Amino acid sequence: EAGVAQSPRYKIIEKRQSVAFWCNPISGHATLYWYQQILGQGPKLLIQFQNNGVVDDSQLPKDRFSAERLKGVDSTLKIQPAKLEDSAVYLCASSLDPSMNTEAFFGQGTRLTVV
Amino acid sequence: AQSVTQLGSHVSVSEGALVLLRCNYSSSVPPYLFWYVQYPNQGLQLLLKYTTGATLVKGINGFEAEFKKSETSFHLTKPSAHMSDAAEYFCAVSVIQGAQKLVFGQGTRLTINP
Repeated sequence: EAGVAQSPRYKIIEKRQSVAFWCNPISGHATLYWYQQILGQGPKLLIQFQNNGVVDDSQLPKDRFSAERLKGVDSTLKIQPAKLEDSAVYLCASSLDPSMNTEAFFGQGTRLTVV
Repeated sequence: AQSVTQLGSHVSVSEGALVLLRCNYSSSVPPYLFWYVQYPNQGLQLLLKYTTGATLVKGINGFEAEFKKSETSFHLTKPSAHMSDAAEYFCAVSVIQGAQKLVFGQGTRLTINP
């Protein structure tokens, strides 16, 4: 079974530039999560999709971050414009059934450095 | 709302010694609990999970955890540490509130001394 795919693995940009990350979840998984992991901290949920609808985006900085999950499959997360404090690893995860406490499967993450 | 507290951001043990990583949770509804491990430059990998039933849960690589409802704890243990266990460990709580909500602790970095 193919895992969660993310790209790119690494990205370095200057502040005020824009950047986009891509995630392809495990086939058939209804729930897709984007987490932000700042160095030395646990993953913090940015946005959660169930199929192509948003379930929770309460911690997404909507003035600069946006995300979409077209057709309920893969997803993109965008930052525009980036700030220094956005430097982090962005993790995508997916889980099978949003009505059950199933485990989430994680991609390898995208490490963003804003200079 | 649910939350997770991991006591000790950094734990160091000798090779062959007992590993104990502490996790306490807060949840208004019966939780499912997970431990994930993260190796450098990798995503999170599931070590073990508690759903219902037996409170002592065994996972991969010789790790196990015990769910104690009265103490709201889910501590992770391994009888004998190996050098390859050096990594970051995250405890997470999952509840169903409309849809699944998965919340992580801040993590514990485990260092193994030769």
